Amino acid sequence: AIRMTQSPSSFSASTGDRVTITCRASHDISSSLAWYQQKPGKAPKLLIFAASTLQSGVPSRFSGSGSGTDFTLTISCLQSEDFATYYCQQYYSYPPWTFGQGTKVEIK
Amino acid sequence: EVQLVESGGGVVQPGGSLRLSCAASRFTFEDYAMHWVRQAPGKGLEWVSLISGDGGSTNYADSVKGRFTISRDNSKNSLYLQMNSLKTEDTALYYCAKGNTAVNSPIDYWGQGTLVTVSS
Repeated sequence: AIRMTQSPSSFSASTGDRVTITCRASHDISSSLAWYQQKPGKAPKLLIFAASTLQSGVPSRFSGSGSGTDFTLTISCLQSEDFATYYCQQYYSYPPWTFGQGTKVEIK
Repeated sequence: EVQLVESGGGVVQPGGSLRLSCAASRFTFEDYAMHWVRQAPGKGLEWVSLISGDGGSTNYADSVKGRFTISRDNSKNSLYLQMNSLKTEDTALYYCAKGNTAVNSPIDYWGQGTLVTVSS
């Protein structure tokens, strides 16, 4: 199974900050990577697929990049509603479809 | 917008069984692969199972293989997860989630989840 490792596991940031979350795959997954946002008590929401394609309706301050084994999610100007936990997921090699362990973005 | 509503969760003893259901609407259900994904309390997301649009292909996580069975009824726009021989480590919020026409595609919509608690 392909293992997905996110870093950091959590961090604190302020509104207006530019933040970056990293996801590393244990094997080459091409661009078959998605990013999800999950707020407390809510279901995950798809933000980005194919590593860099923004899902319809997602604000343009979110962006994704990378291919192969190394990927990043960037929020260009953090808003109050962006404080949440973010997960990456590979869908290149399955089963299983694997998620990263999550990165919690907290208010500083 | 796509709607996915799970039901069937509850408290069950170890070794017991439970059947989860997911009612889908506002999309052509039979055209899309469907997943079950779970989240233990305070933990991350764990993929559980997938079924293709026509129901002819299924996949399972090793942790549930041989105990869980995924199925669907396209005439009722419904997805199911039959869970047998439940263990305490199966305790989680179970999400029904929509894939795409191709199996190797991301999950684009999630239900709100149904809670399964396995405890004596």
